[in-house]
Amino acid sequence: QKEVEQDPGPLSVPEGAIVSLNCTYSNSAFQYFMWYRQYSRKGPELLMYTYSSGNKEDGRFTAQVDKSSKYISLFIRDSQPSDSATYLCAMSLDNYGQNFVFGPGTRLSVLP
Amino acid sequence: DVKVTQSSRYLVKRTGEKVFLECVQDMDHENMFWYRQDPGLGLRLIYFSYDVKMKEKGDIPEGYSVSREKKERFSLILESASTNQTSMYLCASYPNTGELFFGEGSRLTVL
Repeated sequence: QKEVEQDPGPLSVPEGAIVSLNCTYSNSAFQYFMWYRQYSRKGPELLMYTYSSGNKEDGRFTAQVDKSSKYISLFIRDSQPSDSATYLCAMSLDNYGQNFVFGPGTRLSVLP
Repeated sequence: DVKVTQSSRYLVKRTGEKVFLECVQDMDHENMFWYRQDPGLGLRLIYFSYDVKMKEKGDIPEGYSVSREKKERFSLILESASTNQTSMYLCASYPNTGELFFGEGSRLTVL
């Protein structure tokens, strides 16, 4: 079993749809949870960063962490074609960068 | 804005060639990382460095080495490239705030 699992997609949705992206993990010690967005032929960039359980909202994006289920989600409201990218989840038991574990990414296409 | 620059975006090399991938960051971050990214496998850490001349192995260091002679520059070296090293290589710097700053990547093809 991989440490972090993520549906690779591709996921295609119409513009304006609500998108739900998910990751499951096996290490219950993870405390830090991140979502990175990676456009084609670019490096990943941080989208959301949360510590422990709960929700965090930033504009159209909401990150949700359920530690009891070892499951994290990223919701995108009113999706736009500019949201088309690969979304990588990442997590860690501490804040040391070398301990970050990345999921394989979900490719999202938002169709106009 | 933090800028991480990878000098070579696309490279094609022959098996057995020595390959240098260079990365420069402009924000005085102490920590720098090299990852490779392959479909279905996510980002895997090759090597990292937390200071000048310091280096630590990541999860997949075999076949690679690194050099950090100056704080802003972190180089990845493939001593003798092999076809299974065909991949996207990503450099990142890290200020211990939870956010990794990535370069745009170097896509290496080994024939």
